[in-house]
Amino acid sequence: AQTVTQSQPEMSVQEAETVTLSCTYDTSENNYYLFWYKQPPSRQMILVIRQEAYKQQNATENRFSVNFQKAAKSFSLKISDSQLGDTAMYFCAFMKHGNDMRFGAGTRLTVKP
Amino acid sequence: EAQVTQNPRYLITVTGKKLTVTCSQNMNHEYMSWYRQDPGLGLRQIYYSMNVEVTDKGDVPEGYKVSRKEKRNFPLILESPSPNQTSLYFCASSLAGTYQETQYFGPGTRLLVL
Repeated sequence: AQTVTQSQPEMSVQEAETVTLSCTYDTSENNYYLFWYKQPPSRQMILVIRQEAYKQQNATENRFSVNFQKAAKSFSLKISDSQLGDTAMYFCAFMKHGNDMRFGAGTRLTVKP
Repeated sequence: EAQVTQNPRYLITVTGKKLTVTCSQNMNHEYMSWYRQDPGLGLRQIYYSMNVEVTDKGDVPEGYKVSRKEKRNFPLILESPSPNQTSLYFCASSLAGTYQETQYFGPGTRLLVL
């Protein structure tokens, strides 16, 4: 079974600084997708970024980028120039062929002014 | 506007009283899914549906039922709710349910079972 581990239950960062959230996963699959979702206090689930396992290039979306290390099964999220609106719960998720999506337990990020 | 809607958003009920949480999407997606979110556990899949009249169990299906009579709707049914089903529930959908796709989530339904 696939598992997703987020080892940092809580993190904080000063506004305008950079922060990295960690995620590791366990799978025997070769083709899969990885996602980072943001859950603000409104509880909505918002897709931040996604990465295809067959692509070596790390995905980037504006201030958000990932460091995807396939051999190490690591998928960290870097947030640059942190903003107060980035304060949220962040979930790492894994999806393989089929429809089985697995989530990590989440990291609560607080951006301090 | 493309969206996934859930109703109700908040629900307080008592043990054993049957309830239904509705989920609807307007994107003509074939794949729909239900998750529950509990502190320290992330989101866990309850049931999913690849198409009309096709449903399958996820990780934590016990105590839940679903139906998919129409493509746009995927209600979650708790026949006899228990306090351990107190949770935050999310419905999600994607075009065909393949791993290349992004799932779109509804706003969530917070359920309290007394």
